[in-house]
Amino acid sequence: NAGVTQTPKFRILKIGQSMTLQCAQDMNHNYMYWYRQDPGMGLKLIYYSVGAGITDKGEVPNGYNVSRSTTEDFPLRLELAAPSQTSVYFCASSEINSGANVLTFGAGSRLTVL
Amino acid sequence: DAKTTQPPSMDCAEGRAANLPCNHSTISGNEYVYWYRQIHSQGPQYIIHGLKNNETNEMASLIITEDRKSSTLILPHATLRDTAVYYCIVRVFNQGGKLIFGQGTELSVKP
Repeated sequence: NAGVTQTPKFRILKIGQSMTLQCAQDMNHNYMYWYRQDPGMGLKLIYYSVGAGITDKGEVPNGYNVSRSTTEDFPLRLELAAPSQTSVYFCASSEINSGANVLTFGAGSRLTVL
Repeated sequence: DAKTTQPPSMDCAEGRAANLPCNHSTISGNEYVYWYRQIHSQGPQYIIHGLKNNETNEMASLIITEDRKSSTLILPHATLRDTAVYYCIVRVFNQGGKLIFGQGTELSVKP
């Protein structure tokens, strides 16, 4: 199993550009999440999903959009990139019931907005 | 979810036990204590969790006080590869892992 796969690993954007961070998991997990981590800080939850077709906002959702059309994929969309969105983005997943709070994280996507 | 308090940093000698404290004085009866760690630039990694009994797995031990207001993560024989930021998180069991990560404790294992 590959676990949680994120692409791209690195990306530089210009202000106002748009892009999508991809996240895929092969563990048949129902729950998926997007976190961001600014330098020297803890992780902040952006959006999460409890299953295909269901998404909800986390702590810092402004400037981002998500969709969940399949169990496996949970892409994060940045519509108008701003320097404040320079961060490392982590995708994670977990199973329902006993494993709900045991998250498996991807390796991260480092985004720089100039 | 209950708030947790951890020291910002700790040092530990290689081969010795690393004891990482966490205060969660407002924890409620149905909340579990979870520990994760994040090695530099990597995604966080789950370590262990518990409700009120002490727990042990291949990575670590978790000691929760009888009143459940604090806990200690123990790495029995710390190695240089255990250098990481350790996060203590309190969360209701099975409530969908919307985990709130605080600042954590930066553990430095020194030779």
